[in-house]
Amino acid sequence: GIQVEQSPPDLILQEGANSTLRCNFSDSVNNLQWFHQNPWGQLINLFYIPSGTKQNGRLSATTVATERYSLLYISSSQTTDSGVYFCAVPSQGGSEKLVFGKGTKLTVNP
Amino acid sequence: ETGVTQSPTHLIKTRGQQVTLRCSSQSGHNTVSWYQQALGQGPQFIFQYYREEENGRGNFPPRFSGLQFPNYSSELNVNALELDDSALYLCASSLRQGSSPLHFGNGTRLTVT
Repeated sequence: GIQVEQSPPDLILQEGANSTLRCNFSDSVNNLQWFHQNPWGQLINLFYIPSGTKQNGRLSATTVATERYSLLYISSSQTTDSGVYFCAVPSQGGSEKLVFGKGTKLTVNP
Repeated sequence: ETGVTQSPTHLIKTRGQQVTLRCSSQSGHNTVSWYQQALGQGPQFIFQYYREEENGRGNFPPRFSGLQFPNYSSELNVNALELDDSALYLCASSLRQGSSPLHFGNGTRLTVT
C-alpha cells in the first residue's frame, strides 16, 4: 500500500519563528489533507489540497503531486500552534481510506 | 452548523467485554469513517459507512463492527475487548466518498484493563 513519511518527527521553535513541515508519499494521489492534533487530542482539518498552494492566515500548504510531496508552512508561530501535524492521503485503490503519516510533533515555546 | 460529536469522551472496560461508541456526523455529511489512534501513532482506518452500508474496511478483525443510521449517525462496536484495543477512537464525517475534507470529532478514549 501507499506509504506516507513526514519530517521532521519533532520540531521545537521559539514563538515568532517560521517552520516548514514535509510530507512525502509513495504513489500518485488525488487528494491530500493536513491536520493539526492539539494536546487534547482534537484533530482539525487544516487543508484539503490535491495540488497547488493554499493559504489560511499564518498557515499555507503546497502540494506537488507529480513529485509526490507536500509542504506545510507555519509563519510567526504561536504557542497555540503546538501539537502534532499529520498529513493523510487516500490509500492505493480506494479513496475512501485515508493513510496517515506518523506526524510531526511541534512545540512552540514562549 | 453542528460539528461531529462523539460519545462518550472516556471509557474504561475490562478485557473480554463489549463496547459501543457513538458518533453524530456534521450536518449535511452522509459519509462516516472510524479511525483508531494508538498512543504516539497516526490514526488507522477502521471502516467507512456511506448511506448505511459499509464502504471500505481497514485491517481490523471482524469483532470491530459498525452501523450507520438513516440520519447518518454511526456506531462502532467492539466485541471481546483486548488490551491492545486501548486507544483514541476517532469518528470523521465528509460530504462525499473520498473527495472532500474529513472533519473529525473529539474522539473517545477507550482504556481496556
